[in-house]
Amino acid sequence: DIVMTQSPDSLAVSLGERATINCKSSQSVLHSSNNRSYLAWYQQKTGQPPKLLIYWASTRESGVPDRFSGSGSGTDFALTIASLQAEDVAVYYCQHYRSSPFTFGPGTKVDIK
Amino acid sequence: EVQVLESGGGLVQPGGSLRLSCSASGFTFSSYAMNWVRQAPGKGLEWVSIICDTGGRTYYADSVRGRFTISRDNSKNTLYLQMSTLRADDTAIYSCAKGLTAGCNSPIDFWGQGTLVTVSS
Repeated sequence: DIVMTQSPDSLAVSLGERATINCKSSQSVLHSSNNRSYLAWYQQKTGQPPKLLIYWASTRESGVPDRFSGSGSGTDFALTIASLQAEDVAVYYCQHYRSSPFTFGPGTKVDIK
Repeated sequence: EVQVLESGGGLVQPGGSLRLSCSASGFTFSSYAMNWVRQAPGKGLEWVSIICDTGGRTYYADSVRGRFTISRDNSKNTLYLQMSTLRADDTAIYSCAKGLTAGCNSPIDFWGQGTLVTVSS
């Protein structure tokens, strides 16, 4: 099974500053047939269901602000919030969908400093 | 507007069974993979199971394989999760979640609010 890890567990960033969350998979989630990494990022605000932000490691979901970006390939990935806004306070999860079981990372909590 | 509504949660004793349902609307249900994802109180997300568009392929988390069965009725736009031999660590909010595509190798693009399952004597 592919194990997903995230770092840091939590971070506090000043409004307008950059926040970066890392996600690592225990095996490559890159599929050689299409050269795509099967990695998604989700945002979960308190009391709400998660929201898809990024898929294929770097494709932004429709309606997601462009301050959110995803990068990486293979086993190492990052979610960057270019300029943190108050409404970005949430827990962020990565998930692979390369092969079952489609595990999530443990989550990273983002707060305002 | 995409909507999914879960039902069937409740209090069940260890070793018991429960069937969850998820009624979907606002999209062509038969054309998308559907997932169950759970979240224990105060904990992170745990993927549970997926069924692909035609219902022919199903996959499970190691923690539930052999105890849970996912199914779908495309004529009723409904997803199910039959849970048996329930344990205390199955206690969680169970959410129905729509795949972005038909195939099983798909991220999740919409989640329901979930239904609470509590396993306790």
